[in-house]
Amino acid sequence: AQSVTQLGSHVSVSEGALVLLRCNYSSSVPPYLFWYVQYPNQGLQLLLKYTTGATLVKGINGFEAEFKKSETSFHLTKPSAHMSDAAEYFCAVSVGFSGGSNYKLTFGKGTLLTVNP
Amino acid sequence: DAGVIQSPRHEVTEMGQEVTLRCKPISGHDYLFWYRQTMMRGLELLIYFNNNVPIDDSGMPEDRFSAKMPNASFSTLKIQPSEPRDSAVYFCASSLSRDYNNEQFFGPGTRLTVL
Repeated sequence: AQSVTQLGSHVSVSEGALVLLRCNYSSSVPPYLFWYVQYPNQGLQLLLKYTTGATLVKGINGFEAEFKKSETSFHLTKPSAHMSDAAEYFCAVSVGFSGGSNYKLTFGKGTLLTVNP
Repeated sequence: DAGVIQSPRHEVTEMGQEVTLRCKPISGHDYLFWYRQTMMRGLELLIYFNNNVPIDDSGMPEDRFSAKMPNASFSTLKIQPSEPRDSAVYFCASSLSRDYNNEQFFGPGTRLTVL
């Protein structure tokens, strides 16, 4: 079974600083990896995803993530934080699409990002 | 498209009462998921459906919880009787199996408070 570990339940950065949110996964087969963002009192929305191909994935709002198989990691970064980036971020993994059960996403516990002025 | 629609957005009820949460998935999506989010346990998958058929309900915490999907455009999650520990935000999400990227689209959630 797959699992996701997000290191750090709370990350605080200054506006304009680098954002780095860490995610490590465990999967016995090549995974599909996702980052979702949740703004206060809202549902989750997809930020970016890795399925196959290029390991550096670009998403919305200037975020990107790099799939590193050797490190089983999929860390999320943004060069310069903006106040509007304050939200909770969830890393998730699924293991492909052959068979009904593979449509399940397994989410990490989430990382709350605070951006200080 | 209007996205995934959930109702009600907020529900406050007393212990022992029946609670019904509703979800309308995105038109054409053939997978529907129910999640529960709490501070202690994070985001948990309760149950999911494919073409209106429940596929995996292993995340349903107790027999007090039940979910149905009578047609492709409607699903309910019912708690009977409700308990204070059921207080959480419940999300519904849908996806399209032809989209092999497995992207799930989430509704805004229902915040349930059981007194």
